[in-house]
Amino acid sequence: ETGVTQTPRHLVMGMTNKKSLKCEQHLGHNAMYWYKQSAKKPLELMFVYSLEERVENNSVPSRFSPECPNSSHLFLHLHTLQPEDSALYLCASSQSSGGDYNEQFFGPGTRLTVL
Amino acid sequence: AQKITQTQPGMFVQEKEAVTLDCTYDTSDPSYGLFWYKQPSSGEMIFLIYQGSYDQQNATEGRYSLNFQKARKSANLVISASQLGDSAMYFCAMREGPGGFKTIFGAGTRLFVKA
Repeated sequence: ETGVTQTPRHLVMGMTNKKSLKCEQHLGHNAMYWYKQSAKKPLELMFVYSLEERVENNSVPSRFSPECPNSSHLFLHLHTLQPEDSALYLCASSQSSGGDYNEQFFGPGTRLTVL
Repeated sequence: AQKITQTQPGMFVQEKEAVTLDCTYDTSDPSYGLFWYKQPSSGEMIFLIYQGSYDQQNATEGRYSLNFQKARKSANLVISASQLGDSAMYFCAMREGPGGFKTIFGAGTRLFVKA
């Protein structure tokens, strides 16, 4: 495997279900991100982890719970979601190194539909 | 507050011609990085080009160049010799402060390349 992988690629869940999205990066990066991409809205940053510590949390509802067990893996745990949470969820990674602006590498995304 | 504006929801270009995608930004931070990403229909965001706020020269990467006009706060993407595979969504993005993690994205421009 190379780059950033995400599983599953598609997920349909009911509002009472609990599911998890998984992201894995094979690039040796030390920062990982979750983004939400809804139709007709700009990409929204949800969470950022740097060196396995959460450094950004953009007022995301508590029904989304991130987990970063190590620098290569990132999870997004979902429970009691709402239909408006249906979106493409993108994971990204980058190498954070002091004063540099390093680009992010994105996974293919998980298309989530909440019924 | 930082902001990215892409005023062109959709653009058409003839194959082999050049096209410019507009991006303006707003920030009070003197140090920032500007990025362009491409998102094909498959969903994965692909990094194209980067421009630092202190860079004296416009960035170039193959057929991509960034027309950086700092005083006007614009960072337009120029694609030369368009190819059918260039048809995709294009996003302009900005990150403030060296070592920062929060990247904001514009609404995107959908580019259609005609044969």
